[in-house]
Amino acid sequence: DIQMTQSPSSVSASVGDRVTISCRASQGINNRLAWYQQMPGKGPKLLIYTATSLHSGVPSRFRGSGSGTNFTLTITSLQPEDFATYYCQQANTFPNTFGGGTRVDVK
Amino acid sequence: QVQLVESGGGVVQPGRSLRLSCAVSGFTFTKYGMHWVRQAPGKGLEWVAAIWHDGSQTFYAESVEGRFTISRDNSKNSLYLQINSLRAEDTAVYYCARDLGTLFYFYGMDVWGQGTTVIVSS
Repeated sequence: DIQMTQSPSSVSASVGDRVTISCRASQGINNRLAWYQQMPGKGPKLLIYTATSLHSGVPSRFRGSGSGTNFTLTITSLQPEDFATYYCQQANTFPNTFGGGTRVDVK
Repeated sequence: QVQLVESGGGVVQPGRSLRLSCAVSGFTFTKYGMHWVRQAPGKGLEWVAAIWHDGSQTFYAESVEGRFTISRDNSKNSLYLQINSLRAEDTAVYYCARDLGTLFYFYGMDVWGQGTTVIVSS
C-alpha cells in the first residue's frame, strides 16, 4: 500500500498568515493527489484534486502544488473559516490512502 | 441538488453484521465510482472501499478485506456496505462519497454524505 505522510500534524496560525502543509507519498502517484478540509463534526470537503486543480467553489487562497511524491497545500492568507483539519489522499492506486491530517488552530 | 444520505448505523454487538445504505440523488448515479470512508472517534479519515460506476470492480482496504462488501444498485440509486463480524475497532462514522471522476477514473471525492455512526459494543 502507498503510505501518505503529512506534516506538520498541527500548526498554530493567525488570520492573514500563510500556512503550508506537506504531504509525501511512499511512491509515485501520477499527481493523483487530493486535499480535503474537515470542520469539527462535519464531513470532509474537497479543495484540490490532481495535485493542483482547484475544486469548483473553493476560494483561490487555497493552492496545491508538487509532483512525484512531494505535495503541498498552501493557504495564502488564512481566514477565520479556515481553522479546520486538512487531509491529503492519494487516488492513484487502490487501496486509496489518506494522510494523518493537519489541524490548523488559532495562535 | 446533489445529495448523499447514509443510513443503517447503530449500536451493534461484536461479531454481528450490519448493512449501511447510501441513497443518492441529483446526479446520474450510473456514471460515477463511489467510496466508503470511515472516521473513528478522534481519529483521521480511513478509506474503506470503492466500486466502479457499473459495480463490476470493487476495492478494499486491507483492514476490512474479507469482512466488508461494497455493492450498488443502480436501478435504486443506492450504495451499500455490508459489514460482517463487527469488531470494536470498526466503531466509526461511516461516510459515502462520490468520486469526482466518471466511469473508470478516480481523482478524489467531491460529494460526501453526512455520515452514519456505527458503535460496536457489548
